[in-house]
Amino acid sequence: NAGVTQTPKFRVLKTGQSMTLLCAQDMNHEYMYWYRQDPGMGLRLIHYSVGEGTTAKGEVPDGYNVSRLKKQNFLLGLESAAPSQTSVYFCASSYTRGVYEQYFGPGTRLTVT
Amino acid sequence: AQSVSQHNHHVILSEAASLELGCNYSYGGTVNLFWYVQYPGQHLQLLLKYFSGDPLVKGIKGFEAEFIKSKFSFNLRKPSVQWSDTAEYFCAVNARGDDKIIFGKGTRLHILP
Repeated sequence: NAGVTQTPKFRVLKTGQSMTLLCAQDMNHEYMYWYRQDPGMGLRLIHYSVGEGTTAKGEVPDGYNVSRLKKQNFLLGLESAAPSQTSVYFCASSYTRGVYEQYFGPGTRLTVT
Repeated sequence: AQSVSQHNHHVILSEAASLELGCNYSYGGTVNLFWYVQYPGQHLQLLLKYFSGDPLVKGIKGFEAEFIKSKFSFNLRKPSVQWSDTAEYFCAVNARGDDKIIFGKGTRLHILP
């Protein structure tokens, strides 16, 4: 099993450009999450999904959109990138909520110039 | 809403020293608690978790944590650290019934050989 994979691993965008980050999991997990990690800020939840076709806002959703058209995939979109969105983005999945471990992907390092 | 506070942002220890990383959460109800670790260049992985029963939980690589409900704390301990423990450690809390896990800002641990 590959676990949780993320595409791409690195990306540089200019301000105003758009892009989509792809997260895929092969563990048949219901829950999927997008986080951003910034120095000194820990992990902050952007959006999450509790099942195919569902999405919900996390702590820092502004400037991002998500879609979960297929159970195994969770897409994170930036419609108009800003330098403040320079970060490392992690996707995670879990069987369900509560005590279940979240499995993390390797991350995407995004720089917006 | 729940929140997590990690007291130490950066800890430097020598090999064989004992480790205790502080974690406090704020939430009045029942919680599930986690410690995740991120080794350099790697993604986050679960160290240990608490959801019920014995408040002293043991995790991988000799780590343990104690849940003290009266203090809203879940401190991470290891009696003798190794150079390979150099990593960033994140405490996280999930309020029972909530879909989300809230992470602390992390503690960067550096072990001197």
